[in-house]
Order: sequence, then C-alpha cells, then structure tokens
Amino acid sequence: AQRVTQPEKLLSVFKGAPVELKCNYSYSGSPELFWYVQYSRQRLQLLLRHISRESIKGFTADLNKGETSFHLKKPFAQEEDSAMYYCALTSGNTPLVFGKGTRLSVIA
Amino acid sequence: GEEVAQTPKHLVRGEGQKAKLYCAPIKGHSYVFWYQQVLKNEFKFLISFQNENVFDETGMPKERFSAKCLPNSPCSLEIQATKLEDSAVYFCASSLYRGQEQPQHFGDGTRLSIL
Repeated sequence: AQRVTQPEKLLSVFKGAPVELKCNYSYSGSPELFWYVQYSRQRLQLLLRHISRESIKGFTADLNKGETSFHLKKPFAQEEDSAMYYCALTSGNTPLVFGKGTRLSVIA
Repeated sequence: GEEVAQTPKHLVRGEGQKAKLYCAPIKGHSYVFWYQQVLKNEFKFLISFQNENVFDETGMPKERFSAKCLPNSPCSLEIQATKLEDSAVYFCASSLYRGQEQPQHFGDGTRLSIL
C-alpha cells in the first residue's frame, strides 16, 4: 500500500537558518511526489513536484529512491515560510496520498 | 471560474440529518476529487470524477456517502444519516487532466460539524 510519512508534526527554526522538512514514502512502483503548502487562512496549494525539478520560493526537493525520501529543503528560512506543509504521492493513476503534514514555524 | 469554489464554508447538522456539500471546479478542468480531513490529520481520498463519470471511488464509505458531478451543475457530496465521526473538513480539488504532471487545485474546504 502507498504511504507517506512526515515524522515531524512541528518544526521551529530561526529566520535565516536552513530548514529541512522530512518526507518518506512507501511504494513499490515509480511514484510521483509533491509538496503542498497551506499558509494561514489560505487554501492548500501546490509548492513543487519532483518531475519539474524546479525551485519554488527557494525550496527544493530531491527524490531519493534508495532512501524512499523526498525531503523539502531551503537554505535560509523566511518568516513568510511559516505554514503547514504536506508531502503527497501518486502513481499517476491513483489518488493523491498525503502525509499528516508538518507545521513550520519560522521565528524572527 | 479561476478557483475551485466550495459551498458552504461551514455546515452544522444534528446526528442523523442529511448533509450536502457542493464544489464548482475550475472551468475547463475535467477531473474532480473529494478528500476528507479529520482533526487536522492527513487527507483521505474519497472519490474522483472524470467529467460526470465516477473515475475512482475506492475511498468512499459503502453506506451513507454519495457523490455526483452533473453537467452544468456544481459537483456534490451527500451524506445521509450523518454520524458524529463524519465531522471533518471536506476538500474538493480539480485538475485539467489525469496524470502526475497535472497538479490538483484545491478549494477552501467545507467544515462539517455533526452535533
């Protein structure tokens, strides 16, 4: 069965510090991984997807099939990055499977 | 429209009553998805549609839950004889096509409170 694990419920970092939000998955095939973000009082929105290999708002994520991970990273956290982050997986023909989310709090 | 629109924002029902939630996908999007989020936990997939046809209903409870997407109407999710455990935020999402390159765009959700 497909599963996404985000081990940290809450992650607090100081402004300017590096941040890494962990995501591990279990899936036997070739998964497609996404990071979604939900800022305060806003709807859930796509942050980035691994197939695009892009950097959005300074965030990057690399799919590591050996470690079955898709950690989200940013070298210097900003206060506006404070939000709820969800890692999600699909095989393309299956619904999105979400992790439980990590709340990132960036402290000034 | 340019955004997925869900109504109502908040719905309160007594246990045993019926609840009906609506979702208008982004214009031109062929796929609609419903998810349930209980107590800020992970999103649980319920059902998806390709236009007005059910595409995947593997997450739908067998009893009491039903959903439709009819032409020229918002999609709907209906719960008959609601139970306390149905209290959750129900999110609708739409995408242009099916496939990993097509992101799902989410609505604001409907918070259903069963008393």
